[in-house]
Amino acid sequence: EPEVTQTPSHQVTQMGQEVILRCVPISNHLYFYWYRQILGQKVEFLVSFYNNEISEKSEIFDDQFSVERPDGSNFTLKIRSTKLEDSAMYFCARVGQGMNTEAFFGQGTRLTVV
Amino acid sequence: QKEVEQNSGPLSVPEGAIASLNCTYSDRVSQSFFWYRQYSGKSPELIMSIYSNGDKEDGRFTAQLNKASQYVSLLIRDSQPSDSATYLCAVIGLTGGGNKLTFGTGTQLKVEL
Repeated sequence: EPEVTQTPSHQVTQMGQEVILRCVPISNHLYFYWYRQILGQKVEFLVSFYNNEISEKSEIFDDQFSVERPDGSNFTLKIRSTKLEDSAMYFCARVGQGMNTEAFFGQGTRLTVV
Repeated sequence: QKEVEQNSGPLSVPEGAIASLNCTYSDRVSQSFFWYRQYSGKSPELIMSIYSNGDKEDGRFTAQLNKASQYVSLLIRDSQPSDSATYLCAVIGLTGGGNKLTFGTGTQLKVEL
């Protein structure tokens, strides 16, 4: 059983459109991360979200990106105006707290920008 | 720039053999080290975590950490065709990095019948 569930599994969107990717934790964790992986490249950190706030973000996470926890359970990653280079797999991961820093990934959302 | 380096492979081993995967990292203060397995088109799956120098064994998998040499490895004993995947090394540093993972590019492992 996955630690987190992501929807949709695949999203195709036109360049310039907004997309919202969703992450639903199975249990009530506070610490979540978004990563992305462009085809054939390494997994890259985007943003970490702790207790309803962004705790850290990478250079990739520019003004086009935002994260929210709109209803107290789901986490969303929004890309406001998609570009071709945003095409990638986007992974949500939940992380343990304290000394347990193991990260468990959702199944991912494949975003294709055309 | 904190880096994690892996040989991209492919590493080919016969079924039943030991596969040895290696990883080096540049951030000397890194404290937590992980190996993930990733099948094509799927998400990373955690196999092993290791925090202290030495060996850590879990079933057919053994992780080895040498902080002085900034080196972490994964041994897979009795390799099976189902072990064929890309193995990702990931590191958590201490210097202003929170708990975010820095990944290597991964080593593709092929276990041949």
